[in-house]
Amino acid sequence: DAGITQSPRHKVTETGTPVTLRCHQTENHRYMYWYRQDPGHGLRLIHYSYGVKDTDKGEVSDGYSVSRSKTEDFLLTLESATSSQTSVYFCAISESRTGRNTIYFGEGSWLTVV
Amino acid sequence: RKEVEQDPGPFNVPEGATVAFNCTYSNSASQSFFWYRQDCRKEPKLLMSVYSSGNEDGRFTAQLNRASQYISLLIRDSKLSDSATYLCVVNTSPIQYGNKLVFGAGTILRVKS
Repeated sequence: DAGITQSPRHKVTETGTPVTLRCHQTENHRYMYWYRQDPGHGLRLIHYSYGVKDTDKGEVSDGYSVSRSKTEDFLLTLESATSSQTSVYFCAISESRTGRNTIYFGEGSWLTVV
Repeated sequence: RKEVEQDPGPFNVPEGATVAFNCTYSNSASQSFFWYRQDCRKEPKLLMSVYSSGNEDGRFTAQLNRASQYISLLIRDSKLSDSATYLCVVNTSPIQYGNKLVFGAGTILRVKS
């Protein structure tokens, strides 16, 4: 196992409510990512982090914000959830320092916005 | 046009068959290439990296054609346990900037007895 824990694993929420997904790693890896996966689209990058307090936008960042106050935690927040944000969210980590840029995924968080 | 395109399948094959998947990518500056495997309702897991000279890992062979911008995966002697979705993945970022992975939507493989 890659030492990544996502919480919650499953959540149903109402439109307009805020939602925070947490990703916790025990590998001390520098890079952390949030992806969403939808049928027909594959995994799409939402935001990523390259260090504490260092984050950047991905391909589908609108409606999402992130924070990384510690190396081990990367939070994804939906400020006001919409039905289009119903998806499976995967956190991932990688360590490119050695030149081996393998990326490892958490088990996923299933979010339903009703 | 999607950056990484795959035939979604499904590919339905009998046990013991050889099956091949192709994937095309649009960014000619792409740095590295991978195949990931994803089981139903599970996270993607790295199957193998794809090297310019081609590489093999047991029953799996990966090939890269930079000139034509496509990647292939060949599975020999298919097992029931090979049934999964296979994701073609391209890294468009230099290593020192972390990974900017672009995923294909996946190819579904079903191996039947």
